Amino acid sequence: EDQVTQSPEALRLQEGESSSLNCSYTVSGLRGLFWYRQDPGKGPEFLFTLYSAGEEKEKERLKATLTKKESFLHITAPKPEDSATYLCAVQAGSNDYKLSFGAGTTVTVRA
Amino acid sequence: DADVTQTPRNRITKTGKRIMLECSQTKGHDRMYWYRQDPGLGLQLIYYSFDVKDINKGEISDGYSVSRQAQAKFSLSLESAIPNQTALYFCATSDVPSGAGGGEQFFGPGTRLTVL
Repeated sequence: EDQVTQSPEALRLQEGESSSLNCSYTVSGLRGLFWYRQDPGKGPEFLFTLYSAGEEKEKERLKATLTKKESFLHITAPKPEDSATYLCAVQAGSNDYKLSFGAGTTVTVRA
Repeated sequence: DADVTQTPRNRITKTGKRIMLECSQTKGHDRMYWYRQDPGLGLQLIYYSFDVKDINKGEISDGYSVSRQAQAKFSLSLESAIPNQTALYFCATSDVPSGAGGGEQFFGPGTRLTVL
C-alpha cells in the first residue's frame, strides 16, 4: 500500500523567512508526485507534478523537488498570501487514477 | 465560471436521512472522483468513474452510492446518513493520462456535510 507522510504538520513563518516542507513516500514504482494548495473552505488547487528523481518545478515563490524517497516544497521569501495547507499525493504502479494523499502541512505566514 | 462545481456547499441533516451531493464539470474530462476529507487525515477516495458506464468503488465506499448521469455529472448519495459521515466532500476530475504524463486531478470547492 502506498504511504505518504508530510512534515511538519504545521509551520509558522515570518514574512520573508524561507523554509521547506517535506513529503516522504513509500510506493512501488512512482508514476507521479503531486503538490496541491488548499485554502480554508476550498478545494485543493493543483500546483505541480513531478515524475522522476532530480526533477524540479517552480511557480512564483514555490519550488518543488523530487528524490527517490521524498519531495520538498521550498517557499522562498513567503508572503502572508502563501498561508495555506499544502498537500502532497502520489500515484504509483499500474494505477493511473488513484491519488494517495498525505495529511498536509499548514503554513501560516505572519506579516 | 468554475470548471468543477458542487452543490450544495453546506448541508446539515439528521441521522437516517438520505442525502445527495451533486457535481458538474465543464473541463470535458472523462474521469470523475468523489473524495472525503476529515481533519488530520488525507483525502480518501470514495468512488471513481472512468466514463458513464464504468463506476468503481474506492477505499471507503461503504454507506455511499454514486450515479454518473452524464459525462459532466457525477452525484454521491448517502442512503442513510450517520454522524461519522460528517466531513468535507470533494468532487474531482481528470483527463486520461497519456504515456508517462498526466494524472493531475482538479477539485471542486467542496461540500461541508454535518450529520446530527
